[in-house]
Amino acid sequence: DMVVTQTPLSLPVTPGEPASISCRSSQSLLHSNGYNYVDWYLQKPGQSPKLLIYMGSYRASGVPDRFSGSGSGTDFTLKISRVETEDVGVYYCMQGLQTPFTFGPGTKVDIK
Amino acid sequence: QITLKESGPSLVKPTQTLTLTCTFSGFSLTTSGVGVGWIRQSPGKALEWLAILYWDDDKRYSPSLKTRLTLTKDTSKNQVLLTMTDMDPVDTGTYFCAHRPSNRNGYKDWGQGIQVTVSS
Repeated sequence: DMVVTQTPLSLPVTPGEPASISCRSSQSLLHSNGYNYVDWYLQKPGQSPKLLIYMGSYRASGVPDRFSGSGSGTDFTLKISRVETEDVGVYYCMQGLQTPFTFGPGTKVDIK
Repeated sequence: QITLKESGPSLVKPTQTLTLTCTFSGFSLTTSGVGVGWIRQSPGKALEWLAILYWDDDKRYSPSLKTRLTLTKDTSKNQVLLTMTDMDPVDTGTYFCAHRPSNRNGYKDWGQGIQVTVSS
């Protein structure tokens, strides 16, 4: 199975400041079609996960443009340009290139 | 509007078989590329991918649970069923079903989840 790791596991943030989370996979997630099969999800407390970014860098419908995804191959980054208080929760990356799909351990983001 | 909702028992005994139903609306499981997956989350833990059923009836399972999982669908009822045999207390958690619109998309829509406790 592909192993997906995230750093940091905990990220205290200040509203208005930028934040970034790293995701790394044990194998390349770059498909021959040119797409990177990595998604980012945010799970707010008591809620279901919500898709933020798919295929590495494509924002899902309705996701604010302060969220962006980048990277290729095995290293990916989720960036929040200016954190808002509503962005707290646990962020997961997931590789969707080959089954079993695998999630990272999650990064808990909270306000300092 | 796309919705998904999980249903099933909230409590099962060890060694019993769990059957969960995902009832969805707003999309069709006969549309090329569409998949419905199951993901679970043990209390305080990370998300764990379990299985996915595709529009063409292709089914993929987590290797660690493959011998215990079975996916079926009822296209006429817009349902996907997940059966998990030989339940154990470690299987306690919240089970989510989710919609993947195509191979080039993530799990775009999720159900609210169903809490399942395994206890005698």
